[in-house]
Amino acid sequence: KAGVTQTPRYLIKTRGQQVTLSCSPISGHRSVSWYQQTPGQGLQFLFEYFSETQRNKGNFPGRFSGRQFSNSRSEMNVSTLELGDSALYLCASSLMGQGYEQFFGPGTRLTVL
Amino acid sequence: AQRVTQPEKLLSVFKGAPVELKCNYSYSGSPELFWYVQYSRQRLQLLLRHISRESIKGFTADLNKGETSFHLKKPFAQEEDSAMYYCALRDPGGYNKLIFGAGTRLAVHP
Repeated sequence: KAGVTQTPRYLIKTRGQQVTLSCSPISGHRSVSWYQQTPGQGLQFLFEYFSETQRNKGNFPGRFSGRQFSNSRSEMNVSTLELGDSALYLCASSLMGQGYEQFFGPGTRLTVL
Repeated sequence: AQRVTQPEKLLSVFKGAPVELKCNYSYSGSPELFWYVQYSRQRLQLLLRHISRESIKGFTADLNKGETSFHLKKPFAQEEDSAMYYCALRDPGGYNKLIFGAGTRLAVHP
């Protein structure tokens, strides 16, 4: 079965712009989590959606938001981009709520100039 | 707050040598711990989880609650084991939220 897909794979934006990243989970998976990966901070949890509801959020400013659609696809949005938002953004999906293996996508590489 | 520490950024060994990737965690309850691996140009993937107590690709990891450790071991390293390894703890109150360590790059030389 197809793995987690993320689009776009690469993105270049300038400071102050906003960006939307998309994640399509494995078919049948209902949980989608997002992580930010940077050389300095490593992998940090952004938020998790399950059945269209955000049920957990990491320590990121309100500029970072997300949503999940009825088909479990998820988007994350970053507004008023800052240089420090340059990172690899990963999403992971799992079958159900908790206790199931999470499968990661290839990530979207965001560069903010 | 819960934390995962991987003290080594790089571990360099020769093929056939034993490998131990260290992981320590801070959590007073019963943790759920994982090792993830990322091979060059591939996505992050689960290597093993402590509750399954299985061996994957020759790797094992034992939870030591007294030392709050979950070290990853392999008796004989192979060149194909070269990758980035991340230890992760499921946040007890956070559903699927994982707390990752900084990662250790394992380089296995011929």
